[in-house]
Formats: sequence, structure tokens, C-alpha cells
Amino acid sequence: DQQVKQNSPSLSVQEGRISILNCDYTNSMFDYFLWYKKYPAEGPTFLISISSIKDKNEDGRFTVFLNKSAKHLSLHIVPSQPGDSAVYFCAASELSGGYNKLIFGAGTRLAVHP
Amino acid sequence: ETGVTQSPTHLIKTRGQQVTLRCSSQSGHNTVSWYQQALGQGPQFIFQYYREEENGRGNFPPRFSGLQFPNYSSELNVNALELDDSALYLCASTPAGANVLTFGAGSRLTVL
Repeated sequence: DQQVKQNSPSLSVQEGRISILNCDYTNSMFDYFLWYKKYPAEGPTFLISISSIKDKNEDGRFTVFLNKSAKHLSLHIVPSQPGDSAVYFCAASELSGGYNKLIFGAGTRLAVHP
Repeated sequence: ETGVTQSPTHLIKTRGQQVTLRCSSQSGHNTVSWYQQALGQGPQFIFQYYREEENGRGNFPPRFSGLQFPNYSSELNVNALELDDSALYLCASTPAGANVLTFGAGSRLTVL
């Protein structure tokens, strides 16, 4: 039972254009969402997050949008750069029994080509 | 500040053996979590340690166990290894109660 889904395993975008990565979730109790980026042979690195009380959070080239009614969030990267090529994981934070755990999607592999 | 470091980076075991993976948390972080990332999947929560005690556990059998030490470093132990235990094991640390985890580079375990 996947509570966090990233339905696109891969995405290819031209340098300078917008990359849009999507994520859907099923549990309405999730109150915090995060995006992580992962390069080969490295651990996931935190990119950007959003609280469930907001619908948008922006950090430089990265913007995350949250649509609670649709249980959907998306990450926009503008403009995309070749160094953005990585696997992107969407994660939801669940407070359970006094501790936080992250529930991850399966990831989307982004390739930004010149 | 140093980040999260894990050892070993790679290891190969045979079915039925036991393995211990180690993690040093980032300076100032007192909570450690372990995640398993199978090929083609996202990381899955195994358990979390705070103040040297397990305070949360995912859907993993008891042969997955852990420890946290007074300096906040941690170990993940897996007994009676199975082929499906082959995965990347990620350690993450955070200040207590924080949502953002800082991950290490992982230990890649192959079970033959």
C-alpha cells in the first residue's frame, strides 16, 4: 500500500526549460512534505519542504506546490540545469507515536540535457 | 560541521549470516533513523533511536535491530540474512522533533 506515489519514473528536459516533478499521497494526516535529491553513490540531500498549512514554498530555482484537496504536490525547477540531473524523491512526514518518520515515493529520475 | 558518515560503504554476505552497519550522526543531532532502499524503490523506514532507545519502528521483522550510543552514533544489525535484504541502508540524523533528515551516503549490502 503505497501512501506516497511518484508515477513518472523518469523525466527528460532541455537545459533552461522548466522541470515539473509530481507526487501524490493518500493519507490526509500527513502534515509536512519534503523533496530530496539523490546523486549516484551519495545519500539523499534535502532540497525543499512545505507545511500542510501552505500551498507554495519557493527557494531560488525550486518551488514546491501543495494541493491538499487533490492530495498532490509538485516540484518546479526553473530554469533546469545539467547539474540538476539526479533522482528526486518526494517524502511525507508522519507523526506517529511521538516520533517522525518519512514515507518516500519511488523517485523520479530527471535528466537535463544541453 | 561533519555530516552523517556510514561504514562500510559496500559489503557482501551470504544467506544466513549476520551483519552490522555503523553510523556517526551529524554534530548536534541526537536522533538517528535507519532506512532501507531496495533497487528501484524509495527509502523505507526501519526504526528510529532517541536517547539510546528505539522510539519508532517500521514494518521490519525483529531480526533487524539497532543500538544508539551516548555519543549518538548508531548501529544496525541484521541477523539471519535473506536474499531480499540486499539493499542500500541509509542512516539519517536530525535534532529531536525536526522534520528534515540529514542522510549519510549509505552502506550497500549484497546477500548471496
